[in-house]
Amino acid sequence: ETGVTQSPTHLIKTRGQQVTLRCSSQSGHNTVSWYQQALGQGPQFIFQYYREEENGRGNFPPRFSGLQFPNYSSELNVNALELDDSALYLCASSRDQGGTEAFFGQGTRLTVV
Amino acid sequence: DAKTTQPTSMDCAEGRAANLPCNHSTISGNEYVYWYRQIHSQGPQYIIHGLKNNETNEMASLIITEDRKSSTLILPHATLRDTAVYYCIVRAYGNKLVFGAGTILRVKS
Repeated sequence: ETGVTQSPTHLIKTRGQQVTLRCSSQSGHNTVSWYQQALGQGPQFIFQYYREEENGRGNFPPRFSGLQFPNYSSELNVNALELDDSALYLCASSRDQGGTEAFFGQGTRLTVV
Repeated sequence: DAKTTQPTSMDCAEGRAANLPCNHSTISGNEYVYWYRQIHSQGPQYIIHGLKNNETNEMASLIITEDRKSSTLILPHATLRDTAVYYCIVRAYGNKLVFGAGTILRVKS
């Protein structure tokens, strides 16, 4: 148990729809990162939030957006869903934006049909 | 961040030590070596990290060569629950974690 919780655990959406995924970070952690993991591949970095500001972004289009709240929980929003967005979405929290270890949640399995 | 090379898969007998190698020949002086593992359908789990010195915690030991171009993660007494994908990641402070394909470790009874 890492103390990082994600909701929902599973989700099915239709192509073109929008989705919001949620993450509660571990107590004392002010940094949240989001990753996308397609089947059979390693997680790919989407973006990171540090103290409510975006602090780095991977190679994902603008329809992937996020928020971090004052309590350091976070949301990942994906607009105009495509079939290729089907994946496990992982949230990781850490004490700071630097080199400390990141603790991952169990992920949200998104299926786009 | 420097790239890493890991074997695609490895087998280990239950109760024996599992030694997982990782090559990172282009590592820079300010880059750390991290190890994570991912058990099927779960989020990655942090194992250990180090810069120059060997490190040990309750889960594993990390041995980094003197030239820092390679490292080995050691699970001293592997159990069936250690079956997972193990990721070796080289990362500078402040940078994101970049996951490769990792090593599939199968612990067999």
